[in-house]
This record gives sequence, structure tokens and C-alpha cells, in this order.
Amino acid sequence: TQLLEQSPQFLSIQEGENLTVYCNSSSVFSSLQWYRQEPGEGPVLLVTVVTGGEVKKLKRLTFQFGDARKDSSLHITAAQPGDTGLYLCATPPGETSGSRLTFGEGTQLTVNP
Amino acid sequence: ETGVTQTPRHLVMGMTNKKSLKCEQHLGHNAMYWYKQSAKKPLELMFVYNFKEQTENNSVPSRFSPECPNSSHLFLHLHTLQPEDSALYLCASSQVHSTALIYEQYFGPGTRLTVT
Repeated sequence: TQLLEQSPQFLSIQEGENLTVYCNSSSVFSSLQWYRQEPGEGPVLLVTVVTGGEVKKLKRLTFQFGDARKDSSLHITAAQPGDTGLYLCATPPGETSGSRLTFGEGTQLTVNP
Repeated sequence: ETGVTQTPRHLVMGMTNKKSLKCEQHLGHNAMYWYKQSAKKPLELMFVYNFKEQTENNSVPSRFSPECPNSSHLFLHLHTLQPEDSALYLCASSQVHSTALIYEQYFGPGTRLTVT
């Protein structure tokens, strides 16, 4: 099973600040997904990245997939309290396809007004 | 609205009780999953059903018993649970293709289970 390391584990910032969270593995990702989970709810898929070096934008969120496909980052510009939540990265195990996903422990983000 | 619903949202049960969690997906997917989410731990996959057939049982104790009567419904039957089983139980679904490399999962809101 591929292990995913997410950092930082906790992040508390003020509204309007920028931030970056990371997801790393010692193995190559076949693809990588980012989810956000708000308190009392299930994770919601934000984006899937597949190609090394890929950059995807979702409003104020920018997702980057490392060239070697071993790492990914999520950058949030001008964070808002609504961005508060647990950010999870997930990947299928190994380099082959499979319907199961392995999740990282997540980064708990708190954006204070 | 994610298209995956779970009931009940909250459940408190004693260790000798029997209860069931229900999940329903309205997305036309062919795979469904049960996960356990405990504090300070990654999401733990419990069971996977592809085309109504259980394809994975991730070393889950027998006090958890899944049932998938059709591709839209998934149950988790609980009996003689332990306090350490208290957690958020999440259901998810996805569309599985034999040649696909990407399996995006859609989660329900979860059932918060407390075992007393």
C-alpha cells in the first residue's frame, strides 16, 4: 500500500492570507485526488491530477502535480473562513489502476475571520 | 448534494445492541465502499463492493457485516460493538471501468457512531 504524507498536519491562518499544503510519497502516483471535508460531512472531491507537471485551478485554489508524480501541492490564495476544513489527498495503490484509494491523514485548515 | 445519502446521521448504541447503517447512491455507480474515520487517523477502507460483489474485506472484525442487495444500496450491520468502534462511518460510490486509471469517489455525509 502506498503511503501518503501530508503536511502540515494543522494550519491556522487569518482571512486573506495565502497558504500551501503538501502531499508526498516515496512511490510514483498513477493519479492523485484532492478532497475537502467539512465538519460533520463526508469528503468532497476537488480535483484529480494525472500528468506530471500538471496545474489545475479551481477559483482561488491551485493544484500542482510534481514532474516526477511523487508529490502534489494545493495553494490557496486569499483564504476565506469558508475554506476551513480537512484537506485530504488520495491515490490508487501502486502504479496500477484499482477501485480502492489510499488516503493521507489530511491537513486540518482553520481560517479565522 | 453529493448524490450519496446515509442514515442515520447519528447513532448511539450499547455494546449488546444490533443496528444497521444504510447508504444509498443516486449516481448510477457500480461500486460502493465503507470507510471508518477515527480521530487522528487516515480514512480506513473497510469493504468494497463492485457490481454487488464484495471484492475486498480489509481485515475488518466480524462484528461488522456488510450487505449490498443491489448497486444502489449498501448496508453495514453492527452487533456487539466495542467502545473503540466509535467513529464516523462513511459510505462512498464510484464508477469502475476495467481500463480506467482514475476512480473518483463520491462520499455520503457519514454516520457518527458512539458505542457506550
